[in-house]
Amino acid sequence: ILNVEQSPQSLHVQEGDSTNFTCSFPSSNFYALHWYRWETAKSPEALFVMTLNGDEKKKGRISATLNTKEGYSYLYIKGSQPEDSATYLCKTGGFKTIFGAGTRLFVKA
Amino acid sequence: DGGITQSPKYLFRKEGQNVTLSCEQNLNHDAMYWYRQDPGQGLRLIYYSQIVNDFQKGDIAEGYSVSREKKESFPLTVTSAQKNPTAFYLCASSKIGGRGVSYEQYFGPGTRLTVT
Repeated sequence: ILNVEQSPQSLHVQEGDSTNFTCSFPSSNFYALHWYRWETAKSPEALFVMTLNGDEKKKGRISATLNTKEGYSYLYIKGSQPEDSATYLCKTGGFKTIFGAGTRLFVKA
Repeated sequence: DGGITQSPKYLFRKEGQNVTLSCEQNLNHDAMYWYRQDPGQGLRLIYYSQIVNDFQKGDIAEGYSVSREKKESFPLTVTSAQKNPTAFYLCASSKIGGRGVSYEQYFGPGTRLTVT
């Protein structure tokens, strides 16, 4: 993988559903992996910064895992709420950073 | 309140004119970045700066120029050489980490530039 790829592109879930999305990145020369949440009409905000293989981070109902050897990270949202509706971006760390195109999550009440 | 400001929020220009987008931060961050977003695409890095009076090209620097005369400020000029300047532009800043340390970026509200 030469680029950062996110899947799915968009996701529609019902309130209370749990969901997850994937970020795939080049596993060679890994430095760090960041997750951001970008709500409409707001600025992107950092969720997690992950650097170690096997890292797991959690913030409330949102958690993330990291596999640097195979080049992927998963973001999980437990019990989705309408306020979770946003675009979730991942990016490789370092200065010459690469962002994925994002996963757009829609949570219906 | 610490943060990043970008102005203006919306900017309209005629083709062939240079335009400068402002970015200011009061977070005392050393690094600053400019990104461009086009529909359906991720954020693409235009330029970044790690220190005053130094900056590096990102993936899509052609047609853009920057300056970093002060730690707080990192203005981006979109020149007439940029073939498709209409886009959403985001500025960000971060601390600089050492080996094995990566800090999150803080983003401004963005400027939507339309060139006709």
